[in-house]
Amino acid sequence: AQSVTQPDIHITVSEGASLELRCNYSYGATPYLFWYVQSPGQGLQLLLKYFSGDTLVQGIKGFEAEFKRSQSSFNLRKPSVHWSDAAEYFCAVGVYNFNKFYFGSGTKLNVKP
Amino acid sequence: NAGVTQTPKFQVLKTGQSMTLQCAQDMNHNSMYWYRQDPGMGLRLIYYSASEGTTDKGEVPNGYNVSRLNKREFSLRLESAAPSQTSVYFCASSEAGPFEHYEQYFGPGTRLTVT
Repeated sequence: AQSVTQPDIHITVSEGASLELRCNYSYGATPYLFWYVQSPGQGLQLLLKYFSGDTLVQGIKGFEAEFKRSQSSFNLRKPSVHWSDAAEYFCAVGVYNFNKFYFGSGTKLNVKP
Repeated sequence: NAGVTQTPKFQVLKTGQSMTLQCAQDMNHNSMYWYRQDPGMGLRLIYYSASEGTTDKGEVPNGYNVSRLNKREFSLRLESAAPSQTSVYFCASSEAGPFEHYEQYFGPGTRLTVT
């Protein structure tokens, strides 16, 4: 069964608009949570991660994400999108002690000028 | 530092041929991973190596073998390629783990087509 769900396959936002990308996971325990970004033809780069502590985490490039245990979610946000943010974004989940690691299917972000 | 390097960048194989994808990292990382990326499916873990001398299966290991040659290098072998193995393959490494909270650093990928 899919452990990580990214319900939006494609999202288009205007430059300067706010952004929220959704991610839900299905494990009962608190897993390790990550967001990676992939530019076309490139490998993946870590934006941010959560494994304990403050549920609002800050990442690179002005991104942040909030872990909500009650909703099993880890949504990625950015207040003002730049054209250079156009890429594919992957949520990932690591399950400690089970040596499991799953990526979501990704959300492609287009940015309109 | 080059980070994680992969060779080749592109490869076309005929069904039944074999090949080895090479991966090396220069960050002195303990753990290394092989993923495949298919449209609409994200990345799926094929094999991983927690440390030098150990390897373990991931989510989709069938049709593949791996070798952790030393701490730097982790190769992926397709013994008899099938069209279903057409994909983009990524190697990654992390300081420790496997997995846990450590960031994985990814190579640029190998685009493999099996005809």
